[in-house]
Amino acid sequence: DTAVSQTPKYLVTQMGNDKSIKCEQNLGHDTMYWYKQDSKKFLKIMFSYNNKELIINETVPNRFSPKSPDKAHLNLHINSLELGDSAVYFCASSQGLAGGYEQYFGPGTRLTVT
Amino acid sequence: SQQGEEDPQALSIQEGENATMNCSYKTSINNLQWYRQNSGRGLVHLILIRSNEREKHSGRLRVTLDTSKKSSSLLITASRAADTASYFCATPGRTSGTYKYIFGTGTRLKVLA
Repeated sequence: DTAVSQTPKYLVTQMGNDKSIKCEQNLGHDTMYWYKQDSKKFLKIMFSYNNKELIINETVPNRFSPKSPDKAHLNLHINSLELGDSAVYFCASSQGLAGGYEQYFGPGTRLTVT
Repeated sequence: SQQGEEDPQALSIQEGENATMNCSYKTSINNLQWYRQNSGRGLVHLILIRSNEREKHSGRLRVTLDTSKKSSSLLITASRAADTASYFCATPGRTSGTYKYIFGTGTRLKVLA
């Protein structure tokens, strides 16, 4: 059983398009995250949800909009894609938001914008 | 903002050797985590060490934490080709009063068979 799953695994699209990435966790965790990993492997948090409530919204363009329909799902919609959006996007979950909880990561979605 | 910096950025060793990588951070923390990322995969949690612990072991992994120097090290003993991966430390930080983990820049380890 996959703990944290993401779809699609690869996404190639043109500038200006709108795309979505879906994430699901079957661990019963309360907290879910979106991270962006750039070409230099630098991993940066974008959003965090706790019990479907947006907790962390880092300095991310408004073109990125997360949605959490329930505790097990956190989707990421990106409008008007730009070349700089090309990266690997990881979904993760943890038991809680406070410190000391390990995070479980999905396999990643490699987004390429041409 | 606080960020862990791993050192070295890249490390290449022979199978059977030990690999040591270091993480330095800037502000006080109450715990630190290490993660592994295999090529093309998500991160996998390895070990968490709390500020009141100086050393922790898990199989072939040994993690130390020196809060006075704001640094941690990850030692992999008797390395195997399967240990080839990037290793990240993650330290807690706050943004707008909300807790989050900040990941370092990673050490790319290559174990040669």
